[in-house]
Amino acid sequence: KQEVTQIPAALSVPEGENLVLNCSFTDSAIYNLQWFRQDPGKGLTSLLLIQSSQREQTSGRLNASLDKSSGRSTLYIAASQPGDSATYLCAVEGTASKLTFGTGTRLQVTL
Amino acid sequence: DTEVTQTPKHLVMGMTNKKSLKCEQHMGHRAMYWYKQKAKKPPELMFVYSYEKLSINESVPSRFSPECPNSSLLNLHLHALQPEDSALYLCASSLRTETGSNEQFFGPGTRLTVL
Repeated sequence: KQEVTQIPAALSVPEGENLVLNCSFTDSAIYNLQWFRQDPGKGLTSLLLIQSSQREQTSGRLNASLDKSSGRSTLYIAASQPGDSATYLCAVEGTASKLTFGTGTRLQVTL
Repeated sequence: DTEVTQTPKHLVMGMTNKKSLKCEQHMGHRAMYWYKQKAKKPPELMFVYSYEKLSINESVPSRFSPECPNSSLLNLHLHALQPEDSALYLCASSLRTETGSNEQFFGPGTRLTVL
């Protein structure tokens, strides 16, 4: 059974810092990995999707990498802003488009 | 239109009530999903519809009954729920369920409280 873990569980940084969120998964037989953000009580916003054949994807200040063989992904956020405060979830796609979510990292960016 | 909509935003129901959650997308996606999310936990998959047919039921109790009337609409019918069913119910859609670059898009969710 696929297990997805995210470290750290919570993170507080001052505005302007660059930061890295980590995601690890136990079964490397995945089709893609998706990063989401979730604001309290809200739905999920898709940030980036990395296909299993890709190494990284970039969108604005976000860069996600994937090392499928070692079961790891990182989400790099450059020049963090208070508006980046949210919970970040990674999810891996297995068969039949089933997503298995990680435990999440709760990020707070302070002024 | 690039969003998934869900109604209602909030729902309070008693254990003997019957209610329905609604999800809609107009992106031409042929796969739709229901997830349940408890507080401070990640979403858990409940059902997957592919081309309007139920393809995955993650051993969900029968008091939850999904329905996909057409390719744009997904319902979740609720009956005789328990207080522990209180959660955020999320709907998602993707282009299809065949594996690949199958990005899932989520709606804002329905916050359900069962009294």
